[in-house]
Amino acid sequence: EVQLVESGGDLVKPGRSLRLSCTASGFTFGDYAMSWFRQAPGKGLEWVGFIRSKAYGGTIEYAASVKGRFTISRDDSKSIAYLQMNSLKTEDTAVYYCTRGLIIVRGVWPPPYYFDYWGQGTLVIVSS
Amino acid sequence: DIQMTQSPSSLSASVGDRVTITCRASQSISSYLNWYQQKPGNAPKLLIYAVSSLQSGVPSRFSGSGSGTDFTLTISSLQPEDFATYYCQQSYSTPLYTFGQGTKLEIK
Repeated sequence: EVQLVESGGDLVKPGRSLRLSCTASGFTFGDYAMSWFRQAPGKGLEWVGFIRSKAYGGTIEYAASVKGRFTISRDDSKSIAYLQMNSLKTEDTAVYYCTRGLIIVRGVWPPPYYFDYWGQGTLVIVSS
Repeated sequence: DIQMTQSPSSLSASVGDRVTITCRASQSISSYLNWYQQKPGNAPKLLIYAVSSLQSGVPSRFSGSGSGTDFTLTISSLQPEDFATYYCQQSYSTPLYTFGQGTKLEIK
């Protein structure tokens, strides 16, 4: 059974840092892209960023709203994806979800993904 | 960025009703359109990917159609467990994945 479990959410002050982890099980982690999404309280879904599998270069992409502040990484030996969040702002307050990415169609670059499994989410509150 | 607009934003319906939710993209996204269901306090759940491919385990009363800029999610006969918020998401402008604002489906 595929499982994604996020951890690391907390209450932090603006300007501080936080690292989220996503521990995966039930599939060969290294074969898949992993992505982070977030949802502010009462709001819709926002893509944060993702990291491709090594087979696709392990490249990383970020949303403009977090680029330069957030860093995504992965440890395939441990089946964990990370989201390092620096210089946090109040508008980063949200539930953060880790997801697994599947390619919709091959032979296209960059490959388009859809996200078939989501973790339960971890809450990050940025407030003074 | 590609903008995704869902309509309606909210919808009241009864068990057994046929319901259609529309998603419009600000430019053509080919067939790279996915649908998710989210219940309060839960993570989103993938229903349909690539316009019309049903995710494993999703009931066949859910279906998707469309191409280019206009897409629909149809629930053929609403069940009590279907009352939730539904989001469309485009994967064309990868990796700038964007979602519609959501459609809240409520019990009439």
